Formats: sequence, structure tokens, C-alpha cells
Amino acid sequence: RKEVEQDPGPFNVPEGATVAFNCTYSNSASQSFFWYRQDCRKEPKLLMSVYSSGNEDGRFTAQLNRASQYISLLIRDSKLSDSATYLCVVKNRDGGFKTIFGAGTRLFVKA
Amino acid sequence: GAVVSQHPSWVICKSGTSVKIECRSLDFQATTMFWYRQFPKQSLMLMATSNEGSKATYEQGVEKDKFLINHASLTLSTLTVTSAHPEDSSFYICSANLGAGEKLFFGSGTQLSVL
Repeated sequence: RKEVEQDPGPFNVPEGATVAFNCTYSNSASQSFFWYRQDCRKEPKLLMSVYSSGNEDGRFTAQLNRASQYISLLIRDSKLSDSATYLCVVKNRDGGFKTIFGAGTRLFVKA
Repeated sequence: GAVVSQHPSWVICKSGTSVKIECRSLDFQATTMFWYRQFPKQSLMLMATSNEGSKATYEQGVEKDKFLINHASLTLSTLTVTSAHPEDSSFYICSANLGAGEKLFFGSGTQLSVL
């Protein structure tokens, strides 16, 4: 079993749609959680950190459920520019902080 | 904000040659940098953790003699792919933390194509 698992993609949605990504992690001692966005052949860019209380940044809402070891990302009112791969990222303290990336979920937003 | 510079952006080389990729932290000191590899449609896989002034820590299955890492200063880490073969063709990317638990800052990545 992979340490971080994400929904298989791709997601194809029309502009204006709401789309949700799910992610689960296996290490109950994981410390920090993030969503990154990666465009093709580019470096990942931090979209947002994820906190147990849930957090929102404009059209993006992230949730963390430590009991279920589950992370989600909700994108409302999708834009064409949201088309990218979304990576679920978990940091574990394994003799120093180790960052584990999910395989990513590809999103295509169509006009 | 913190910036990590990586170059070259892309390399095309013949099989059997060695390729060096540089990763620099531009406005902060990075005692630790990370090297990842990403094959098409797959996630970033950590190859090794580069430690300033000491030996790198390699992930299981990564050949340390093939992927040489040098972290000679607080702002520079290099990855050398020795005797590259077509199966080494991939997107290589480095990153650094500002501190433990902080978010990662990524270099822009290097696309390596071995003919």
C-alpha cells in the first residue's frame, strides 16, 4: 500500500463546476499536510497547507480528518487555469522530516 | 520569499556520459536539500537527502554510485548522473526547507533526455 494515495484521475469538468479531490495517508504519526499544484514539466507549487480545523483560500477549501487519515481539497467555480495536477503531500518525522508525495490527480477544466 | 535555483533546465546527452545538475538556495542557507525524480504521469519520488558537509542519505533502490550527490556549501547541492542511460531519462527536481516542518521550496526542475 502506498503511503499517500489519491483519487485516480483524470477529472474532466466544465468551467464553473465544483470538484473534490480525496487523499488518504497510512502513517498515523504524520505531522504536516499540504496540497501542491503541478503544471506539466514544472516544479510543484504550494497551493495550501491543511489544518485539522479546515481552511479556505478563495475558491479552495482543504480539510483534514486525522482520525480517518483523510485529506480533501474542494475547488469551487472551476476556472480553465485550474487545469493541472494536484498533489497531496504529507510530512512525517522519520529521523528528520520526510516529505511524501501522492501520485497526483490530473484536472482538466473545459470551456 | 525563499528561492531555489536549479540548472540546467533541460539536458540532452548521449548514453554513457555524465550529467551534473546544480541546485542553489538563493537567499537562505539550506543545510538539507532533497533530490526527486519524476517519470511521466507519475509522482515525485525522493531519491536522496543531501546534507551539507556530510554524506547524502539515499532512498532504498537508488544507486549511490550512479547518482552522486555533493553538498559542499550551505547554498549549493549537485546531483551527477554518472554513465547515463536512456532509462535515466526523467524530470529531476531539487527542493529545500527553510526549517524543519516548513514548506518546501522547489527548483524549476531539469528534464534529462538520454539518447
